[in-house]
Amino acid sequence: KQEVTQIPAALSVPEGENLVLNCSFTDSAIYNLQWFRQDPGKGLTSLLLIQSSQREQTSGRLNASLDKSSGRSTLYIAASQPGDSATYLCAVYGGSNYKLTFGKGTLLTVNP
Amino acid sequence: GAGVSQSPSNKVTEKGKDVELRCDPISGHTALYWYRQSLGQGLEFLIYFQGNSAPDKSGLPSDRFSAERTGGSVSTLTIQRTQQEDSAVYLCASSLNSPSGSGSKQYFGPGTRLTVT
Repeated sequence: KQEVTQIPAALSVPEGENLVLNCSFTDSAIYNLQWFRQDPGKGLTSLLLIQSSQREQTSGRLNASLDKSSGRSTLYIAASQPGDSATYLCAVYGGSNYKLTFGKGTLLTVNP
Repeated sequence: GAGVSQSPSNKVTEKGKDVELRCDPISGHTALYWYRQSLGQGLEFLIYFQGNSAPDKSGLPSDRFSAERTGGSVSTLTIQRTQQEDSAVYLCASSLNSPSGSGSKQYFGPGTRLTVT
């Protein structure tokens, strides 16, 4: 059974700091990995999707990396802003079951 | 263009009643997913529809839960004889094609918050 773990569960940083969110998964036979953002009371917004053949994806201040063999992904946020405050979720597709399996998320607070 | 929409946004129901939740996916998206997000439980996959293929119902927690997708577009999730543990936010998502394809990015609706009293 695929399990996805996100560390830390919560993170508070001052505005302008660069930060890294971590995601690990137990079954490396995945098709892809996605990072999502969830604002309170809202649905999820897909930030980046990395196919299993890729090593990283970039969008603006966000960079996500994937090391499939070690079952790890990181989301790097550069020059954080208060508007980045949200819960960030990592999800993998594939592995022993063909479902999108989510981690429990990292709650990020960027203080002005 | 319009994103994924869900209705109602909030639903309060009494234990034992049936409820129907609706999802309108993005036009042209062949794949549709339902998830449940419970406090402290994270996001849980419920069911997946791909085109006209038989749905993957492996995530449905009990036979009180069912879903259908009419005409390859709108989907309804039905919960019969609701229980308090069914209280959660039910999220719908759609993607251009299958989860393993190049158009696999999932777009989520705002969710329906279900409270069973």
